[in-house]
Amino acid sequence: EDQVTQSPEALRLQEGESSSLNCSYTVSGLRGLFWYRQDPGKGPEFLFTLYSAGEEKEKERLKATLTKKESFLHITAPKPEDSATYLCAVQDFSGTYKYIFGTGTRLKVLA
Amino acid sequence: DTGVSQDPRHKITKRGQNVTFRCDPISEHNRLYWYRQTLGQGPEFLTYFQNEAQLEKSRLLSDRFSAERPKGSFSTLEIQRTEQGDSAMYLCASSLRDPGSNYGYTFGSGTRLTVV
Repeated sequence: EDQVTQSPEALRLQEGESSSLNCSYTVSGLRGLFWYRQDPGKGPEFLFTLYSAGEEKEKERLKATLTKKESFLHITAPKPEDSATYLCAVQDFSGTYKYIFGTGTRLKVLA
Repeated sequence: DTGVSQDPRHKITKRGQNVTFRCDPISEHNRLYWYRQTLGQGPEFLTYFQNEAQLEKSRLLSDRFSAERPKGSFSTLEIQRTEQGDSAMYLCASSLRDPGSNYGYTFGSGTRLTVV
């Protein structure tokens, strides 16, 4: 069965202190790996899709990378407005339309 | 179009009552998804519609849950005989096509259900 594990559960950074979030996955055949950002009381907001090992995507201070077993979300010089929960999800090739989400990493960036 | 709208934002109900939530997707999106999210967890898939056809249902969607999307526009999710374990955020999402490169679901802000 497809599974997604995210670590750490929570992370506190000083403004400007770069770090990485991890998403480990087990899937029969990866159709896509997705990163979302979720602010309190709101629905998740799409960030990136990755399809194959070695692929990288960037957006402002965020960079997502993918290997055959895990994905990293690198945050460079974060700002307080980057504080949110970051969710990782996978979709497989079995014909399902569903995403399997991890439990997320709660990021707090302190000024 | 301001995105995916969900109504109500909050619902408190007594155990055993029926509740219905509504989702209005982005108008040109033909794909609509329902997810459920409990505190500290990621969203869990409930069901998927392509236009008016319900193409996939999770095992989480027990007989007490039913979803519809008449005419392929808005969707409703009904929970009958609510239980305390149904307390969660119910999220709706829509998309124009299979999520792909630089394109994903657009989620609504959810309906928070509390069963007392």
